[in-house]
Amino acid sequence: DAGITQSPRYKITETGRQVTLMCHQTWSHSYMFWYRQDLGHGLRLIYYSAAADITDKGEVPDGYVVSRSKTENFPLTLESATRSQTSVYFCASRGLADEQFFGPGTRLTVL
Amino acid sequence: KNQVEQSPQSLIILEGKNCTLQCNYTVSPFSNLRWYKQDTGRGPVSLTIMTFSENTKSNGRYTATLDADTKQSSLHITASQLSDSASYICVAPGGFKTIFGAGTRLFVKA
Repeated sequence: DAGITQSPRYKITETGRQVTLMCHQTWSHSYMFWYRQDLGHGLRLIYYSAAADITDKGEVPDGYVVSRSKTENFPLTLESATRSQTSVYFCASRGLADEQFFGPGTRLTVL
Repeated sequence: KNQVEQSPQSLIILEGKNCTLQCNYTVSPFSNLRWYKQDTGRGPVSLTIMTFSENTKSNGRYTATLDADTKQSSLHITASQLSDSASYICVAPGGFKTIFGAGTRLFVKA
């Protein structure tokens, strides 16, 4: 399927567990992003990547790790999940004229 | 500080009515401004882009305006439909970052 996909769409985990959220895009866009969206905060940037093997922190990176070994994949890992990381996570890639294409989101609940 | 502020925070209108959403931006250097629509449970999707030289741009029932002097943009929705119920997010690139507004939550009632 063309576009940007995320998996899983829903995830429930427990405090302290490691969780990985997957993101895959088919356009070969150089830039990819991870955001979290919480009520009252809008979209906040966690990490971004300018190309394979190039990643950098965003606004709220603590507790998260990313990697980008291939252009099309950009997984986000919560090393030890906390309740404050309960959120909806969006992956995006950037095309022409700064347009960002967002995935469908992953709703994560940490118990 | 680069920022994008939107108003109102939320809005309820009756189906068939028009509405206007506001966006004030302080972004330097300014290159463009986008409006995104985010349906419940989905990721945002770009509706329109406004560049420095454009005053007005339409996309169906959606019309965006840009006033570069006052640093304001608006999104006007004509003859609203139930499917217009969504969040509308104003976004501008700010250097190497993307600056997101908090969004306006629009509810269209039958």
